[in-house]
Amino acid sequence: AQSVTQLGSHVSVSEGALVLLRCNYSSSVPPYLFWYVQYPNQGLQLLLKYTSAATLVKGINGFEAEFKKSETSFHLTKPSAHMSDAAEYFCAVSDPLSGSARQLTFGSGTQLTVLP
Amino acid sequence: DAEITQSPRHKITETGRQVTLACHQTWNHNNMFWYRQDLGHGLRLIHYSYGVQDTNKGEVSDGYSVSRSNTEDLPLTLESAASSQTSVYFCASSEGNTQYFGPGTRLTVL
Repeated sequence: AQSVTQLGSHVSVSEGALVLLRCNYSSSVPPYLFWYVQYPNQGLQLLLKYTSAATLVKGINGFEAEFKKSETSFHLTKPSAHMSDAAEYFCAVSDPLSGSARQLTFGSGTQLTVLP
Repeated sequence: DAEITQSPRHKITETGRQVTLACHQTWNHNNMFWYRQDLGHGLRLIHYSYGVQDTNKGEVSDGYSVSRSNTEDLPLTLESAASSQTSVYFCASSEGNTQYFGPGTRLTVL
């Protein structure tokens, strides 16, 4: 079974600073990995996904993530934070080779605060 | 545009009552999912369906049921609501590996 750990339930950055949200996964096979963003009182929106193609994945709103097999990580970054990036971010994993490939297992989320 | 909707958006009910939360998608996706979101737990899978007449239990299915009579809808029923089921509920659908989420239903059980 796969699992995801998000380090840091709350992260604060200043506007214009680098955003780094950490995600480590556990999977017995190369996984599919996802980052979702949730704005207040809304559903989850896909930011980006890794599905075994390029290890550096670019997403919406200037975010990107790099799949590092040796570190079992899929950290989310953005070079310069904007006030509108304040939201909760979820990392998720699926096992593409299992019968439950369509299911996602989510991390517990990281609340990003952007300070003016 | 295709979309996924949930109703009601907010619901207050009493312990022991039966409650049904609706989920409707116009993507024509075969796969549909129900999650609950609680602080510190992220999203946990309650039930899922891979097509009409197909339903499966997820990680936290006790006290919940679903039925799939058509492609568009997957209603979630709480047979006898408990205070522990106070949560925000999200429905999602997918065709392939990307799930698309509804706006959520905030359920309070008093």
